[in-house]
Amino acid sequence: EPEVTQTPSHQVTQMGQEVILRCVPISNHLYFYWYRQILGQKVEFLVSFYNNEISEKSEIFDDQFSVERPDGSNFTLKIRSTKLEDSAMYFCASSGTSGSEALYEQYFGPGTRLTVT
Amino acid sequence: AQSVTQLDSQVPVFEEAPVELRCNYSSSVSVYLFWYVQYPNQGLQLLLKYLSGSTLVESINGFEAEFNKSQTSFHLRKPSVHISDTAEYFCAVSGTSYGKLTFGQGTILTVHP
Repeated sequence: EPEVTQTPSHQVTQMGQEVILRCVPISNHLYFYWYRQILGQKVEFLVSFYNNEISEKSEIFDDQFSVERPDGSNFTLKIRSTKLEDSAMYFCASSGTSGSEALYEQYFGPGTRLTVT
Repeated sequence: AQSVTQLDSQVPVFEEAPVELRCNYSSSVSVYLFWYVQYPNQGLQLLLKYLSGSTLVESINGFEAEFNKSQTSFHLRKPSVHISDTAEYFCAVSGTSYGKLTFGQGTILTVHP
């Protein structure tokens, strides 16, 4: 069964450093998403991406964040200068082909735990 | 704006007992409703969804949820739980087919033998 994969599973970085979180969505999916979950809090939407551009972003997704689909298979989230409060589990998700019920179904990866020290 | 409230952060039950995990939402537009499950060290998996039509929706492993528009609820039920149902369950709402999901805070279901 196809699945969304994410690397690394755990990333430790120092405050102020840049990090790139990587995701490989399901191959025929059209929409891509990043969410995060700070420990003990809700899963929060960060950004959605379609047709090589951001379709929606939350107020959390400020200028420190960027997303890219560099090669048609990977989908990355970059944090330019990490802060302590960026420590969280980051989930990538993708959803399916247009005109079908699959468009409503977001498939999630296992997450990357980011720890900023 | 949309929001989701899961009224119970933890629900302990014994094996073969029935369970209900509660979810209420608020939204100014039509909604699509979802339940996701997260097993330890895994990602979120879609358990079931309400898009339109019958207000009672079922999953392949015996869970069901009922959309109640007047009460703005989408409670998850199972008549007889198994040890393997131990996981965290998230209720979520979306206003469009490809739009962001807004999640509740999650309910940890623990099934005891």
